[in-house]
Amino acid sequence: DTEVTQTPKHLVMGMTNKKSLKCEQHMGHRAMYWYKQKAKKPPELMFVYSYEKLSINESVPSRFSPECPNSSLLNLHLHALQPEDSALYLCASSREAGETYEQYFGPGTRLTVT
Amino acid sequence: GNSVTQMEGPVTLSEEAFLTINCTYTATGYPSLFWYVQYPGEGLQLLLKATKADDKGSNKGFEATYRKETTSFHLEKGSVQVSDSAVYFCALSANAGKSTFGDGTTLTVKP
Repeated sequence: DTEVTQTPKHLVMGMTNKKSLKCEQHMGHRAMYWYKQKAKKPPELMFVYSYEKLSINESVPSRFSPECPNSSLLNLHLHALQPEDSALYLCASSREAGETYEQYFGPGTRLTVT
Repeated sequence: GNSVTQMEGPVTLSEEAFLTINCTYTATGYPSLFWYVQYPGEGLQLLLKATKADDKGSNKGFEATYRKETTSFHLEKGSVQVSDSAVYFCALSANAGKSTFGDGTTLTVKP
């Protein structure tokens, strides 16, 4: 199984809502990532978890809160978002957080903030 | 810091044409290099990779060679198909899983 799954596929939320994005992998990977991708742009790294510990936070606003409950699951909690946060949110995983390991991406959650 | 520069798109080719998408990079240390492909409405998929100088990555008829002397990792395919139409991203990974992506090149192949 080389699949990374993400739910939901689409999410529309108001600026006062609280919602969560979920990501799951069963490849035994010990590194997991959140990216934000705007239309016609490359993915921008938000967070990296290595062995369930947050190892990289790319100065992401606190309205985005990641959580890694176990080695297979990654959540992104959203609160008080702005319209400019509307984007495709991609989850990825890799065997470890090292330079030689390719990342496996999920299909993404298309988020619209109204 | 690290950076990746990709050939600007979009690129439009006829079926069976030869494809080259240029990619050059700037990095400290010894990065690994990757090509990812993104089809409409999907996440990125690894196309090929190379982890050290002079390595050649290949997959599905696509090839790229890690050239340290020219800091390049150009993607090539001898004969493109309509199904190759997608956005292609060159990327490098230098430490702790932190990847740097190029801006992406949109390829359209016409029958």
